[in-house]
Amino acid sequence: KNQVEQSPQSLIILEGKNCTLQCNYTVSPFSNLRWYKQDTGRGPVSLTIMTFSENTKSNGRYTATLDADTKQSSLHITASQLSDSASYICVALFSGGYNKLIFGAGTRLAVHP
Amino acid sequence: EPEVTQTPSHQVTQMGQEVILRCVPISNHLYFYWYRQILGQKVEFLVSFYNNEISEKSEIFDDQFSVERPDGSNFTLKIRSTKLEDSAMYFCASSEAPPSSYNEQFFGPGTRLTVL
Repeated sequence: KNQVEQSPQSLIILEGKNCTLQCNYTVSPFSNLRWYKQDTGRGPVSLTIMTFSENTKSNGRYTATLDADTKQSSLHITASQLSDSASYICVALFSGGYNKLIFGAGTRLAVHP
Repeated sequence: EPEVTQTPSHQVTQMGQEVILRCVPISNHLYFYWYRQILGQKVEFLVSFYNNEISEKSEIFDDQFSVERPDGSNFTLKIRSTKLEDSAMYFCASSEAPPSSYNEQFFGPGTRLTVL
């Protein structure tokens, strides 16, 4: 079954600290993997997009990694800020005959002062 | 910066009523999508639309749902006879190129639909 699983479900960190969020996917065939940030009550906003041939992609303080062999991805946030408090969603593009984004449940990050 | 807009932000309706959710995609985009997110659950794909017809649809998108691009700017999702389980946040998205490419999908702020 095509699924995206994320861990942890929620995370609390102090402002200025780093954190890493994990994603495992069983989507096949797989075209690309995306990380989105979703503020409460808002639409998802794209952070990174990686194809299966890319290992790492950075966007400011966000760095995503992808291991297509183990079907794992991570999102590392450096020097967290209060505004980083949001849900971070891992999304895989299923590309078997038709194309569809398959979303994980997200990791809810809270950054405290 | 161009963005996807959606109206209304919140819609309350009685079970069995028809609702139309409206979206204005980014102007030069050609591919349009609807997603829904039931409270506390994952975002789920509903339908994609290109060249005035449905490209893909999920098993959720049954005969109660329809999409339309009535003019050059709006993209609508209609639910003919709402059920309690249709209560969710509905997101519209658009992209320049098909989802198989490297292109981003840009999401709107969502419409919260509450069915009573």
